[in-house]
Amino acid sequence: GENVEQHPSTLSVQEGDSAVIKCTYSDSASNYFPWYKQELGKRPQLIIDIRSNVGEKKDQRIAVTLNKTAKHFSLHITETQPEDSAVYFCAATGSARQLTFGSGTQLTVLP
Amino acid sequence: ETGVTQSPTHLIKTRGQQVTLRCSSQSGHNTVSWYQQALGQGPQFIFQYYREEENGRGNFPPRFSGLQFPNYSSELNVNALELDDSALYLCASSPTGGKANTGELFFGEGSRLTVL
Repeated sequence: GENVEQHPSTLSVQEGDSAVIKCTYSDSASNYFPWYKQELGKRPQLIIDIRSNVGEKKDQRIAVTLNKTAKHFSLHITETQPEDSAVYFCAATGSARQLTFGSGTQLTVLP
Repeated sequence: ETGVTQSPTHLIKTRGQQVTLRCSSQSGHNTVSWYQQALGQGPQFIFQYYREEENGRGNFPPRFSGLQFPNYSSELNVNALELDDSALYLCASSPTGGKANTGELFFGEGSRLTVL
């Protein structure tokens, strides 16, 4: 089945700096790659997603890139703010039509 | 538009007991997926229901079972509870199912199960 690895597990940045989180996946049939933000005690919420027919997608301060050949995708957050502090999960939909999540990245934005 | 709702929000059980968790999908969504999220980990796929039938299952034993009802609400049942079953159980609905299910998941707030 699909296997998703996510790095780093923790990330601290100064307010205003950029943050990058990287994920790799194993199933070449995967075609949907969402990113979720989960605040403490809350539900995961979709922040951006990308499909396999697109290489990059941007939404204000958030962007995602996908390299199908290398089977990796990344989340980029620019001009980070304290409210960006949360756990971020990448995920991929494999041939089994189920979302497989990475292990999460705890992002801390220092004021 | 009503979002995904889950009940109960918190519950405590002892080893060997059985538990039923409930989920109401978002209006218009016919697919429900259940995930187990242990502390400090990412959600793990348990199974998915589409039009009242199981439509995919993760690496969980048969004591994890589910149902989907005609109104697309769903139940997760866990028999013979073990300590490692302590986790946040998340229900997620989506508007597509079957072979076309590559759509966004809308998560509920979860049911936090503690097994003592």
